[in-house]
Amino acid sequence: GAVVSQHPSRVICKSGTSVKIECRSLDFQATTMFWYRQFPKKSLMLMATSNEGSKATYEQGVEKDKFLINHASLTLSTLTVTSAHPEDSSFYICSARDQGARTEAFFGQGTRLTVV
Amino acid sequence: GENVEQHPSTLSVQEGDSAVIKCTYSDSASNYFPWYKQELGKGPQLIIDIRSNVGEKKDQRIAVTLNKTAKHFSLHITETQPEDSAVYFCAASMGGSYIPTFGRGTSLIVHP
Repeated sequence: GAVVSQHPSRVICKSGTSVKIECRSLDFQATTMFWYRQFPKKSLMLMATSNEGSKATYEQGVEKDKFLINHASLTLSTLTVTSAHPEDSSFYICSARDQGARTEAFFGQGTRLTVV
Repeated sequence: GENVEQHPSTLSVQEGDSAVIKCTYSDSASNYFPWYKQELGKGPQLIIDIRSNVGEKKDQRIAVTLNKTAKHFSLHITETQPEDSAVYFCAASMGGSYIPTFGRGTSLIVHP
């Protein structure tokens, strides 16, 4: 399958600072990328859908000013958690869908964010 | 919107036994059903998928069946091995938009 690289895999930051997470499609062009949040022993919660060159579509209840998403190219999307608080600590996962007619989306390795 | 139910939440088997995880979906328009395996601290990995025009698909020790009428689909793992231990998620989506709805996950534990 296609490869999606997510970086960093782990990050610890202080309350009030911002953290940027990158999601790259390594061997395909991704017109659409998805950002998920996963709590311990829980399923994936879709936060937002981003399309290259346009604004992200956020799910209900997700603060767009707190979780900034940029999808500037067909191979890169970034999620920035602004003014992080301890309750933002979580596992964040991106997935990317091939530009072609394929239906599958492939997931990154995930980023464990800890806000202290 | 779509609602996906997944059972059981935890499944414990002995090495060599078979494991079956079942999912139901609510929206008859859904036509793509992937299964993901997530190991601890990692992102989900697609292991098998099935489209609505097929009733069964097999890939070595894993197989997926789909009953469109009943709106349920299942994952079957035969000859389980300890390395099969992980959390498995089913999902359902419709059309080319691919915004999948995930089940709650099944924690599979294979005892050696």
